[in-house]
Amino acid sequence: QQQVKQSPQSLIVQKGGISIINCAYENTAFDYFPWYQQFPGKGPALLIAIRPDVSEKKEGRFTISFNKSAKQFSLHIMDSQPGDSATYFCAAKLAGNQFYFGTGTSLTVIP
Amino acid sequence: EPEVTQTPSHQVTQMGQEVILRCVPISNHLYFYWYRQILGQKVEFLVSFYNNEISEKSEIFDDQFSVERPDGSNFTLKIRSTKLEDSAMYFCASVRHKNQPQHFGDGTRLSIL
Repeated sequence: QQQVKQSPQSLIVQKGGISIINCAYENTAFDYFPWYQQFPGKGPALLIAIRPDVSEKKEGRFTISFNKSAKQFSLHIMDSQPGDSATYFCAAKLAGNQFYFGTGTSLTVIP
Repeated sequence: EPEVTQTPSHQVTQMGQEVILRCVPISNHLYFYWYRQILGQKVEFLVSFYNNEISEKSEIFDDQFSVERPDGSNFTLKIRSTKLEDSAMYFCASVRHKNQPQHFGDGTRLSIL
């Protein structure tokens, strides 16, 4: 069972553009929603995270938008740079601390 | 900044052999995790460990898998009799408090021949 659905699978964006990655979940018991960035040969690194009592969180060029009623959340990368090219995973955590990851989005930012 | 370190970076093992993957979590962290990522696929939770015992495990973590914290610094994942489908990247993660974001190591690539 796919607990967290992520789209698109891959994304190509021009430098300076906005990258948008979407995730949807089913289980309303999830209580924490992080986004991870992964470069080849490296482990996932936490980028930004949000809790369900907040609708938006912004850190620098990265923003999470959270829609509790629709059970969806998205990552927006403003002014996308070639250095942002990586795989991005959304995740959701149950209260018992088990994380479920999305299938990943491969982002390529073209100079 | 303190890091989670994993060794080896790449492990090649014959099918049916036992393999031990090693992790050194961040020193003041209390919760430890193993994840698996099959090539090109999503990261999958295997097991969480706290206070010297397993706190949660997924259906992937069957009797072939075990975890141990043999001393104050290492956290190991053992696969008793490896299968071809165990080939994957294995990531260790740790966190000090339960509701904080996890810190991941760079993983061990396990190749079963």
